[in-house]
Amino acid sequence: SQELEQSPQSLIVQEGKNLTINCTSSKTLYGLYWYKQKYGEGLIFLMMLQKGGEEKSHEKITAKLDEKKQQSSLHITASQPSHAGIYLCGADIGGGATNKLIFGTGTLLAVQP
Amino acid sequence: EAQVTQNPRYLITVTGKKLTVTCSQNMNHEYMSWYRQDPGLGLRQIYYSMNVEVTDKGDVPEGYKVSRKEKRNFPLILESPSPNQTSLYFCASTSWGGAETQYFGPGTRLLVL
Repeated sequence: SQELEQSPQSLIVQEGKNLTINCTSSKTLYGLYWYKQKYGEGLIFLMMLQKGGEEKSHEKITAKLDEKKQQSSLHITASQPSHAGIYLCGADIGGGATNKLIFGTGTLLAVQP
Repeated sequence: EAQVTQNPRYLITVTGKKLTVTCSQNMNHEYMSWYRQDPGLGLRQIYYSMNVEVTDKGDVPEGYKVSRKEKRNFPLILESPSPNQTSLYFCASTSWGGAETQYFGPGTRLLVL
């Protein structure tokens, strides 16, 4: 069965520093999603990537999907305390656009002022 | 305002007492899903629906039922709840065909005694 591995599991950075979170799959990713979650709250959809080599940005957050479509990275530039939370990647395992999703285990990000 | 609503937000019940968690979206989205989130196990998909009267099993469908009679509603039914269904549940809806945006409900905390 397909699984998503996220790394690191947790991350503490100083405010203003850049950071990267990775999401790796053993199989081709047909749709890769990134989310942010505050503890115990709902998920906030950040962005979705579908094409190999695709890159999307939202404010200071950039996500990329590699050409082989098996790894994605989420990069935060000049981190702020508001970026703290749990970041999850998700993948469509139904062949694309099916909404049949699996998720990584999450990365807990803390940003120290 | 675009939103996904879930009710109830908190529920304590006893083993075997049937319950329904409602989910409603106001964005005319085709795709809707149910997830559960558990410590150590992460976020897992229970059921998803690609349109009215079209539903399919996610990762952990056992013990749950869903229906999609109208586009806006996607209730989650626990016919005979058991303590292992104690969890945090999220409903989500997704637009497709370009927008690629997901909206999550605020979550329902369920405790089954």
